[in-house]
Amino acid sequence: RKEVEQDPGPFNVPEGATVAFNCTYSNSASQSFFWYRQDCRKEPKLLMSVYSSGNEDGRFTAQLNRASQYISLLIRDSKLSDSATYLCVVTSDGGKLIFGQGTELSVKP
Amino acid sequence: GAGVSQSPRYKVAKRGQDVALRCDPISGHVSLFWYQQALGQGPEFLTYFQNEAQLDKSGLPSDRFFAERPEGSVSTLKIQRTQQEDSAVYLCASSEKRQRSGNTIYFGEGSWLTVV
Repeated sequence: RKEVEQDPGPFNVPEGATVAFNCTYSNSASQSFFWYRQDCRKEPKLLMSVYSSGNEDGRFTAQLNRASQYISLLIRDSKLSDSATYLCVVTSDGGKLIFGQGTELSVKP
Repeated sequence: GAGVSQSPRYKVAKRGQDVALRCDPISGHVSLFWYQQALGQGPEFLTYFQNEAQLDKSGLPSDRFFAERPEGSVSTLKIQRTQQEDSAVYLCASSEKRQRSGNTIYFGEGSWLTVV
């Protein structure tokens, strides 16, 4: 079993839709949690950190449930420019980043 | 530029050939990471350096893979006797501080390796 698991998608949604990504992790000792975004043939870039209390950045909302070892990302009013792969990331042993396989999002006009 | 720089960007190697991939981290960054990303997968951790010390190489898939950072700056990932399953993007990342939870790391654009 992979340490971080995501639904690979793809998620195909119309502009303006709300879309939710889910992620589970197996290491209960993980300390930090992130969502990264990766555009086609580009490097991953930090989208947002995920805090226990939940946090929001514009149209993006991230939530963490430590008891269930579950992380989510909600994108509201999706834009064409949101099309990318979204990577769920947790820290493991000593702080190294462990990535999920990514969920592909395609926003259509 | 001021970002993480990797070279070559693209490399085609014949099976059995040795390859060397270079990473120039952001100046002054202490931590350096190598990741391997196969098509359709997320990045997989390979190894970590704190300055010149290789503190974690638990992700290196075989003894054909070797990484070094002799002066605590530029790093090289070497793959000996390449196999087709080595075809992937090799991502280098750096971080200003020692590896610990919460530090922001910055990725280079990757070296795309295809073994034929």
